[in-house]
Amino acid sequence: DVKVTQSSRYLVKRTGEKVFLECVQDMDHENMFWYRQDPGLGLRLIYFSYDVKMKEKGDIPEGYSVSREKKERFSLILESASTNQTSMYLCASSKQGANGDTQYFGPGTRLTVL
Amino acid sequence: GESVGLHLPTLSVQEGDNSIINCAYSNSASDYFIWYKQESGKGPQFIIDIRSNMDKRQGQRVTVLLNKTVKHLSLQIAATQPGDSAVYFCAEGDSWGKLQFGAGTQVVVTP
Repeated sequence: DVKVTQSSRYLVKRTGEKVFLECVQDMDHENMFWYRQDPGLGLRLIYFSYDVKMKEKGDIPEGYSVSREKKERFSLILESASTNQTSMYLCASSKQGANGDTQYFGPGTRLTVL
Repeated sequence: GESVGLHLPTLSVQEGDNSIINCAYSNSASDYFIWYKQESGKGPQFIIDIRSNMDKRQGQRVTVLLNKTVKHLSLQIAATQPGDSAVYFCAEGDSWGKLQFGAGTQVVVTP
């Protein structure tokens, strides 16, 4: 079974803090993704990566950055957390194929910024 | 941009009945479609997918139907059980592996 793990289930941070969210997958997947999930808005893509050291902006990258130094690990960074970044953050991974493939999700990190 | 939407935000189903969750999509170039189930406090869990060259696919108690003519996707759950209560998302994918998600439908199974 594919396993995607996220470093924390719950986080509480203060405005202006730098926040790191870590994601690790154990299936040697090339693709990794970060989403945020808010009520009524579904999942929105923040950043994704097709390979080590590669990153692409998603639909809502503002206020976020990412790092992919190793294939199995994809980090989401909030350089200066703000209250509007309070959300559920979901990491996903998938293998690379000509027609894309199913994304497998971690359990999520619920971040509260005070 | 393109969008994926759901017709019903909440679906109430009696235990044992069949459930049908609908989804409209607008990107005719999408290569595949996926249904996910998300239980409270958990990440989305893959249910079933279908490629754009198919119109029907069956899994265990679930069937996905794809109508490309009207850009419509549906998920049918047979003999709905209390454990099926969750939010269900449809998503459409491109050839690069990116997914666009709908807002989700809450399914509530009543005894």
